[in-house]
Amino acid sequence: EPEVTQTPSHQVTQMGQEVILRCVPISNHLYFYWYRQILGQKVEFLVSFYNNEISEKSEIFDDQFSVERPDGSNFTLKIRSTKLEDSAMYFCASSDTPGPPNYGYTFGSGTRLTVV
Amino acid sequence: AQSVTQLDSHVSVSEGTPVLLRCNYSSSYSPSLFWYVQHPNKGLQLLLKYTSAATLVKGINGFEAEFKKSETSFHLTKPSAHMSDAAEYFCVVIGTGNQFYFGTGTSLTVIP
Repeated sequence: EPEVTQTPSHQVTQMGQEVILRCVPISNHLYFYWYRQILGQKVEFLVSFYNNEISEKSEIFDDQFSVERPDGSNFTLKIRSTKLEDSAMYFCASSDTPGPPNYGYTFGSGTRLTVV
Repeated sequence: AQSVTQLDSHVSVSEGTPVLLRCNYSSSYSPSLFWYVQHPNKGLQLLLKYTSAATLVKGINGFEAEFKKSETSFHLTKPSAHMSDAAEYFCVVIGTGNQFYFGTGTSLTVIP
């Protein structure tokens, strides 16, 4: 079964450093998403991306965050200057349609980011 | 606005007994609802989804959920719990812009 692949599975970075989280969506999917889950809290939407531009973003997704699809396969989330509160599990997701009912929305296994 | 409320943060059942994980939703229109499971150190796996077809939805691993509009509920059930069912379960509703709105999660413990 096709999978969304995220690398690395765990990343430790120093506060103030830039970090790039990588995702390889399912190959025929066109809609891409990032979510995060701070330890002990709910999964929260960050951003959606379609046709090489951001479709929607949440209040969490401030100027420190950016997304990019640098080539035909990768979808990246960059945090410019990490803060301690950026420590979380980051999930990438992709879908083949913009909405229900035939909704092939698939999550990756996540990247655990630890900022020290 | 769309949201979901998971009524129990933790549920504990004995192996072989039924599982009930409760979820209530709030939506200004006919919602699309999902249940996801997250095993320790793993990603989010889709269990089942409701997208305005049959109100009783069957998912993987013997789970099912019933959409009840009158009660604004979408509870997840399984007739007989297995040790491998121990995990975190999330009820999810799709909102505007196809954002997923997650509940706070229910941790399921299965006692041997």
